[in-house]
Amino acid sequence: GAGVSQSPSNKVTEKGKDVELRCDPISGHTALYWYRQSLGQGLEFLIYFQGNSAPDKSGLPSDRFSAERTGGSVSTLTIQRTQQEDSAVYLCASSPQVVAGGETQYFGPGTRLLVL
Amino acid sequence: RKEVEQDPGPFNVPEGATVAFNCTYSNSASQSFFWYRQDCRKEPKLLMSVYSSGNEDGRFTAQLNRASQYISLLIRDSKLSDSATYLCVVNAISGGGADGLTFGKGTHLIIQP
Repeated sequence: GAGVSQSPSNKVTEKGKDVELRCDPISGHTALYWYRQSLGQGLEFLIYFQGNSAPDKSGLPSDRFSAERTGGSVSTLTIQRTQQEDSAVYLCASSPQVVAGGETQYFGPGTRLLVL
Repeated sequence: RKEVEQDPGPFNVPEGATVAFNCTYSNSASQSFFWYRQDCRKEPKLLMSVYSSGNEDGRFTAQLNRASQYISLLIRDSKLSDSATYLCVVNAISGGGADGLTFGKGTHLIIQP
């Protein structure tokens, strides 16, 4: 079956521009997560959605970052006024549900963002 | 102190050898533990969950030591295809929700022919 998909796969932008990254989770998965992975670094949790709501947004690096999810499916991560330090791979993951014990997350291939 | 720490390696291991690496976590309230594998320029994929009693999946064995707050991964009879970065993942429950797994930076494993 179809896995998590993300678009674009690569994005090069100029400093100061806005970018929008898209994530299509596995059909039926209610939980959706955004992570950022900088070169040589571990994954940095950004935000997660349970359905359309985001219980915890504290992982977002700054107020230039925002995310939304509509219809309990597709999510978009928007970065406004991009900075060079925003360059990273942005990974999206989904899982069937958010449960206290944790749940396997299925990752998309990521969007490689380069801010010049 | 970092929440999840791993030796970044690289671990250079001959094919067929046994290799083990650990991961330590700082949050004693952590409830769920996983090992993910990430190939170069690919997304992470779940390798195995780690259960309190320890668990085995083929050549892979995972152990949890709550007292010392570490988990381990043992790979027996290593294959060339085992070369990857192994990410230790810990889920610290907060407010009843899984508000994000905490990933270690990974241990880079290179299996040499």
